[in-house]
Amino acid sequence: DAKTTQPTSMDCAEGRAANLPCNHSTISGNEYVYWYRQIHSQGPQYIIHGLKNNETNEMASLIITEDRKSSTLILPHATLRDTAVYYCIVDSGANSKLTFGKGITLSVRP
Amino acid sequence: GAVVSQHPSRVICKSGTSVKIECRSLDFQATTMFWYRQFPKQSLMLMATSNEGSKATYEQGVEKDKFLINHASLTLSTLTVTSAHPEDSSFYICSARNPARRGAFFGQGTRLTVV
Repeated sequence: DAKTTQPTSMDCAEGRAANLPCNHSTISGNEYVYWYRQIHSQGPQYIIHGLKNNETNEMASLIITEDRKSSTLILPHATLRDTAVYYCIVDSGANSKLTFGKGITLSVRP
Repeated sequence: GAVVSQHPSRVICKSGTSVKIECRSLDFQATTMFWYRQFPKQSLMLMATSNEGSKATYEQGVEKDKFLINHASLTLSTLTVTSAHPEDSSFYICSARNPARRGAFFGQGTRLTVV
């Protein structure tokens, strides 16, 4: 079973920030939070990951709450090409399997 | 660039035939690879975990005799759909773990259509 829950969908205007929430209340101390996205008929694309500190890369920022029970993926300036399904996943590392929840469908409108 | 390559990207086959899908890790050795199946408008469903040099571990409800997995080398895993039926039509995705890094890398996916 997926260890995360996400809203089903959200939309935002092009050029605005998209804030995608994720709940992972049962996360263990050594488990990381990973975000992937999937554009139609493609494999999932890695976006960002974190343990407990906030992270930023060229694609997005990841804000993890102090209790680590939830996180938010931030796309600072959404574009039409960011329209996709975004998956928040808890990773136990090593050779453990990654289980996908239903993800959140982000629609960026012109 | 892509670190996991999946081939073919699309395949159409007749009912009753078998289809092989390859998944390669391009710049690392993957001791563990995963195979997923995705139906339209649904999430990825894990089918099996492929371990190099040993038998694959299948998720509950996945027929191991129908979905044959071979992980003969540290850079290649194959999924063979045997005696394919139209209901096997789906999007199949592989992923691989790099032991030196966390997370997993995903292939581009294979669209299988059984006619």
